[in-house]
Amino acid sequence: NAGVTQTPKFQVLKTGQSMTLQCAQDMNHEYMSWYRQDPGMGLRLIHYSVGAGITDQGEVPNGYNVSRSTTEDFPLRLLSAAPSQTSVYFCASSYRGFSTNEKLFFGSGTQLSVL
Amino acid sequence: QQQVKQSPQSLIVQKGGISIINCAYENTAFDYFPWYQQFPGKGPALLIAIRPDVSEKKEGRFTISFNKSAKQFSLHIMDSQPGDSATYFCAARGDTGNQFYFGTGTSLTVIP
Repeated sequence: NAGVTQTPKFQVLKTGQSMTLQCAQDMNHEYMSWYRQDPGMGLRLIHYSVGAGITDQGEVPNGYNVSRSTTEDFPLRLLSAAPSQTSVYFCASSYRGFSTNEKLFFGSGTQLSVL
Repeated sequence: QQQVKQSPQSLIVQKGGISIINCAYENTAFDYFPWYQQFPGKGPALLIAIRPDVSEKKEGRFTISFNKSAKQFSLHIMDSQPGDSATYFCAARGDTGNQFYFGTGTSLTVIP
């Protein structure tokens, strides 16, 4: 199994440009999420989804959009990139269930620089 | 505002020593507390986790100690090895079950 696949691995944007970070998982996980990792800030949740057609905001959603049309895919869209969005982005998925010891499976990340 | 506070920011330990990383939280509705390990260039991976009704959980050289009344939990790495050198994140799951809040991370270096 591939697990969680993120593309691209690296991206450089100019301020104001838009782009989509791709995330796909092959584990049939209901829950998918996007985090950004910044030095000294840890991992912060941007958006998450508990199933196809259902998305919600996390801690830092401004400037980002998501959609979930299939169980497998959860793309993250930057509408108008800003230098403050320079970060490493991680997609994560998990099997849903309050009664289980939930394990987030992370992708290998996308390093984004906005100039 | 950081929901989970983690310390220290960095830690250097001799091979064979004990590494201790501490985390604290305020929200008593958090129901699950995992630790993640991250190597450079990789995504975090679940290391060990605990629920608030348990005071300690041990898996091999890794132990979580959990103090519910103090709202603190810690990771202990016994007999630390150079291969343990990585960044460690504590986390807490929110009461809706939909959001994980991560600490700021601890960079651990184990010197041979």
